[in-house]
Amino acid sequence: SYDLTQPPSVSVSPGQTASITCSGDNLGEKYVCWYQQKPGQSPVLVIYQDTKRPSGIPDRFSGSNSGNTATLTISGTQAMDEADYYCQAWDSSTYVFGTGTKVTVL
Amino acid sequence: EVQLVESGGGLVQSGRSLRLSCTASGFTFADYGVSWVRQAPGKGLEWVGFIRSKASGGRIEYAASAAGRFTISRDDSRSIAYLQMNSLKTEDTAVYYCTRDVTLIIVVTPLYYFDHWGQGALVTVSS
Repeated sequence: SYDLTQPPSVSVSPGQTASITCSGDNLGEKYVCWYQQKPGQSPVLVIYQDTKRPSGIPDRFSGSNSGNTATLTISGTQAMDEADYYCQAWDSSTYVFGTGTKVTVL
Repeated sequence: EVQLVESGGGLVQSGRSLRLSCTASGFTFADYGVSWVRQAPGKGLEWVGFIRSKASGGRIEYAASAAGRFTISRDDSRSIAYLQMNSLKTEDTAVYYCTRDVTLIIVVTPLYYFDHWGQGALVTVSS
């Protein structure tokens, strides 16, 4: 099976940049998306097709994907960005989620 | 506005069955695939299975943990997708989400993701 690995947690100060990585074999050959999930809420799509933002998602969210690593970057992080973040890709007829990263805004 | 509303969750004993429904509105349900994704308490997201639109062949696939016990179906006339869960185990305890699926091929690369999620339905399996 295909695995996507994320760091369990990332801490960031308000206004600073948070980077969340998602690692998998030859991940750069697949499209990656990212979901944000706040406590008690459903996941929300924040990045799709590696770099694109759905309407309504602030431009402080950006993504990249190359080699074995995809990265979600939150620039000028705000308190409201504190949440769990999951990457997701498609492999061998299955949807694969990353292990999830808890972003804490200190 | 796209809306997905799950229903049918609850407490069930191990070995019994439960059927979840996902009622869609705000878009042409028949044009889209639907997936079910679950999240055990305090854990991450786990894909359970999908059903494609009839126009895309109606294909159905399941995760290994669901194959043989769970069945996904759809009623396009009522804009509802179903997740029939049989032989439930305590490890099936989770919030179950239905999603609207985006399925595209960009040149030769699949672009498959979930652009809308329901609010979730809690399924608790007791021993």
